[in-house]
Amino acid sequence: DAGVIQSPRHEVTEMGQEVTLRCKPISGHDYLFWYRQTMMRGLELLIYFNNNVPIDDSGMPEDRFSAKMPNASFSTLKIQPSEPRDSAVYFCASSNTYSAQFFGPGTRLTVL
Amino acid sequence: AQKITQTQPGMFVQEKEAVTLDCTYDTSDQSYGLFWYKQPSSGEMIFLIYQGSYDEQNATEGRYSLNFQKARKSANLVISASQLGDSAMYFCAMREGGFGNEKLTFGTGTRLTIIP
Repeated sequence: DAGVIQSPRHEVTEMGQEVTLRCKPISGHDYLFWYRQTMMRGLELLIYFNNNVPIDDSGMPEDRFSAKMPNASFSTLKIQPSEPRDSAVYFCASSNTYSAQFFGPGTRLTVL
Repeated sequence: AQKITQTQPGMFVQEKEAVTLDCTYDTSDQSYGLFWYKQPSSGEMIFLIYQGSYDEQNATEGRYSLNFQKARKSANLVISASQLGDSAMYFCAMREGGFGNEKLTFGTGTRLTIIP
């Protein structure tokens, strides 16, 4: 089975531009998570979904960030407008209920 | 208080030796789960091992075992016969509460370097 798929793997953009990160979870998993990893703040949970419904978005830093899960096999994390402090590695992970989370390879975002 | 504490920012271990990575946790829940993940320099997060709070036996997965001491609230990862490929960041994480809460809280990690 394929693991969690994320695209793009690397993204370089300029401040003010819109950025869209994409994730395909493992087939059959009913939870999907978005994390951000930085040297300063470590690994932070941004939002997670259960059966395509957002359950907890308390980690979303501000209104510039939004996430959607239109179906069981696809999710997006959008930043609009992007700022240099958004530079980080963004991970998507998926899991079944009460089981380990499996992470995608991450998207390294650089905002200039 | 930190929910997950990893006190060793970095460790150097000789190849083939066993290594213990420390993790202490803080929760008032009776039901919780503890996880260890490995992050090599390539960046991916790899799930290693899981211990549930009600599990009576320490979890083991190949060369990985989890030394679970509930009263001390510690969940140390033990890697036996270390290999060069074990060099990586290691994160301890906790899921609190029972069914329905899937949030993980991660520690700050320990960077393990295996010396040939």
